[in-house]
Amino acid sequence: GESVGLHLPTLSVQEGDNSIINCAYSNSASDYFIWYKQESGKGPQFIIDIRSNMDKRQGQRVTVLLNKTVKHLSLQIAATQPGDSAVYFCAGANSGGSNYKLTFGKGTLLTVNP
Amino acid sequence: ETGVTQSPTHLIKTRGQQVTLRCSSQSGHNTVSWYQQALGQGPQFIFQYYREEENGRGNFPPRFSGLQFPNYSSELNVNALELDDSALYLCASSSGQGGYGYTFGSGTRLTVV
Repeated sequence: GESVGLHLPTLSVQEGDNSIINCAYSNSASDYFIWYKQESGKGPQFIIDIRSNMDKRQGQRVTVLLNKTVKHLSLQIAATQPGDSAVYFCAGANSGGSNYKLTFGKGTLLTVNP
Repeated sequence: ETGVTQSPTHLIKTRGQQVTLRCSSQSGHNTVSWYQQALGQGPQFIFQYYREEENGRGNFPPRFSGLQFPNYSSELNVNALELDDSALYLCASSSGQGGYGYTFGSGTRLTVV
């Protein structure tokens, strides 16, 4: 029979290391970006956001970098912990639109090894 | 403060049937968005409701329809189910006319056989 599996980009790190998750976007009209964390069996959970007039924003243990020239986002997680293991999505939006539709990337599976 | 709740959590339907998924928005939120998440993919926008009116729609056929009620809860209806409709259906609520302060529910896992 046909088998179906996940074909996500994956990142495996050791506990305590820093993690960097990357995301490329294609829509030049996107001016607002969000990183989400999704654990198995749960909906996406907001981590951090950034507007296009910024190139860096920091939260607790997380930093988002935005490079509009090459349409690239990254999420840096400091001192990665086993509880950080999840799928991470970037999402973009055009805040000038009539609604607040988010366009999600495919996601990256982060595995933290103790 | 309660979060977003969705029901049922899992559902199995036969191709050609119809299904209704339900969502209760977070307290204080008046906008509901629905997303479809296929296995191994990111969520895709289906549509959004604000004050009981559709406020934007993604690239989904008309057999995907929705409702929002005066208490801001919402339903997603899918007619003539196809195998490719098998996915996790996520509801997200936010405040204002849209707004990106989404709170997602845990989703309904729909399997079409």
